[in-house]
Amino acid sequence: QVQLQESGPGLVKPSQTLSLICTVSGGSISSGNYYWSWIRQPAGKGLEWIGRIYTSGSTNYNPSLKSRVTILVDTSKNQFSLKLSSVTAADTAVYYCARERGLSRFFDYWGQGTLVTVSS
Amino acid sequence: QSVLTQPPSASGTPGQRVTISCSGSSSNIGSNTVSWYRQLPGTAPKLLIYSNNQRPSGVPDRFSGSKSATSASLAISGLQSEDEADYYCAAWDDSLNGVVFGGGTKVTVL
Repeated sequence: QVQLQESGPGLVKPSQTLSLICTVSGGSISSGNYYWSWIRQPAGKGLEWIGRIYTSGSTNYNPSLKSRVTILVDTSKNQFSLKLSSVTAADTAVYYCARERGLSRFFDYWGQGTLVTVSS
Repeated sequence: QSVLTQPPSASGTPGQRVTISCSGSSSNIGSNTVSWYRQLPGTAPKLLIYSNNQRPSGVPDRFSGSKSATSASLAISGLQSEDEADYYCAAWDDSLNGVVFGGGTKVTVL
């Protein structure tokens, strides 16, 4: 059973960089045709896809966030990460990591989510 | 403003059938498959339907999905109290080169 777990600071100051890590267990991040994604959800609002990475390092980002987002993968640690720069209060949200089936493009496993608050 | 359009709410009494629509365009639903997710309060979304109408193992057959042209639907038959949740549709968008979600539909069991 694949499990994903987000970790990182719960509080980030405005203009700084938000950094999160997703640790994958129960399977190798390198095996299979999967993309590894980040999705966020502001309180009381809907889901927003941030971006994804393939184990080759190939990435896709939400155009609205592309200039501020970097997603990396560390296959040796079975982890992938998210960096979002120049954050504002609008970036306050629950951040989820998820596994996406490559060809069929659906998210079959999700982390429990981690709340990141942007505040001074 | 979400790329995929869902009604904000839907409701029904126990045992009834509820349908949730998801409207998109030729660049997303029109050319890619749709998935549906259920989110209970305070929890992560869970996959309900993939590839338009496929149920993952463990999802009851009360849940069914369909797609036609640039729209998709999720039907819940035999509505139960535990079906009270938020439901989201999603699809890849070829123009945006990314995943787009619907705004979500809150289902209430009366």
